[in-house]
Amino acid sequence: AQSVAQPEDQVNVAEGNPLTVKCTYSVSGNPYLFWYVQYPNRGLQFLLKYITGDNLVKGSYGFEAEFNKSQTSFHLKKPSALVSDSALYFCAVRDKGTGGFKTIFGAGTRLFVKA
Amino acid sequence: SQTIHQWPATLVQPVGSPLSLECTVEGTSNPNLYWYRQAAGRGLQLLFYSVGIGQISSEVPQNLSASRPQDRQFILSSKKLLLSDSGFYLCAWSVSGLAGDTQYFGPGTRLTVL
Repeated sequence: AQSVAQPEDQVNVAEGNPLTVKCTYSVSGNPYLFWYVQYPNRGLQFLLKYITGDNLVKGSYGFEAEFNKSQTSFHLKKPSALVSDSALYFCAVRDKGTGGFKTIFGAGTRLFVKA
Repeated sequence: SQTIHQWPATLVQPVGSPLSLECTVEGTSNPNLYWYRQAAGRGLQLLFYSVGIGQISSEVPQNLSASRPQDRQFILSSKKLLLSDSGFYLCAWSVSGLAGDTQYFGPGTRLTVL
C-alpha cells in the first residue's frame, strides 16, 4: 500500500523567511502526490499536486513542491512566509483500494509563522 | 462550479443516541465520495468511500455506517454513539481521471458525544 510520512509535527518560521514542510513517500509505481492545507475549524483545501512532468510543481498562495524520486520526497516550500500561512498542512498520496481510488493522508504538520 | 455541503455544522449528542450526517455535492456527476474523521485537529482517518450509488467501501470496522442513496448524496450514520465517536467529520468528493483524484472537502461537522 502507498503511504506518506511527515516527520515534523510542527515547523516554526519567522515571517519573510523561506519555509519548508517535509514529506516522504512510499509507493509502488508512479506516485500521485498532493498537498492540502487546513485552517482552524475548516475543511482541507487543495494546494498542489504532482502526477507527472516537471519535478517542480507550483500551487496556490505562492506554494511550490519538488518531487524528488531518488530521495522519495515531496517537500512543500515557499520563498517568503506570511503570518497567514499558519495552518495545518497535509501531504497525501493516491492509493488503490478494493472499492476504487482513495487518498492516504500524512499525520499533518502544523506551521507557525511568527511576525 | 462545484460545491459541497455538510450539515449540521455542529452537533452535541448523548452516548447511545443515533447519528445522521449528510453530505451533498452540486455541479458534478458520478463523483467519488469520502467520509473522514479527524480527532484533536490532527490526522485524517478515512472511514468510508464510494464510487457510485449503493457502492460503499469501509476502511475501519466500527459502529458507523454509510449510505449513498443518490449520486451526489452521502450519509454517515450510527445507531448508538460512543464517546470515542467525537471528532470533526469531513466529507470530500473527487473525480477519477486526469485530475488525479484531487479531493475537495466540505466545511465539516464537529460532533461532541457526551
